[in-house]
Amino acid sequence: GAGVSQSPRYKVAKRGQDVALRCDPISGHVSLFWYQQALGQGPEFLTYFQNEAQLDKSGLPSDRFFAERPEGSVSTLKIQRTQQEDSAVYLCASSLTGWRGNTIYFGEGSWLTVV
Amino acid sequence: KNEVEQSPQNLTAQEGEFITINCSYSVGISALHWLQQHPGGGIVSLFMLSSGKKKHGRLIATINIQEKHSSLHITASHPRDSAVYICAVSTEETSGSRLTFGEGTQLTVNP
Repeated sequence: GAGVSQSPRYKVAKRGQDVALRCDPISGHVSLFWYQQALGQGPEFLTYFQNEAQLDKSGLPSDRFFAERPEGSVSTLKIQRTQQEDSAVYLCASSLTGWRGNTIYFGEGSWLTVV
Repeated sequence: KNEVEQSPQNLTAQEGEFITINCSYSVGISALHWLQQHPGGGIVSLFMLSSGKKKHGRLIATINIQEKHSSLHITASHPRDSAVYICAVSTEETSGSRLTFGEGTQLTVNP
């Protein structure tokens, strides 16, 4: 498809389990962002890639969170030893060359529930 | 205090009503975005503003840089407009790397 694709759409993980969330941005988009959205709240920034370079990871809440984009296209957000507070929607977004002057395209999110 | 605040948090309207959602921010910005989020998580970008006013169909977005305030207006509202509307800013410090979001306004338009 032409949009940002995320998988899985829904994931239930047992506490302590590792999870991996995938994002396929729009082809050719340089910038890729991950956001975390808790129920009833606005999204919170996690990390930002420009091509394969992770330029900003200041929003990652702990060292259990890790993101990569090794070839500058597909990105994976990995959460190790999941905790209940990790339950949220994880949104991926991409744009052609960053926010300024470019439309943002969001995926539909990966809904993570940690039980 | 959040850097981006929206009001109201919840809004219920009758079909056909004129709707206004407000956004105030406390930081210097390079751009302000209005986004729409439907149940199920999908987010759609409606507008990106750095000054003035933009219009698309029944949607109008305005921004007053001096007052650090933006409004999203929906004319002749329709039940299909029911969604969460989110204001987000790209700040001068982080321009190009991240958005800071408001908590959203849940709009319900009844037939």
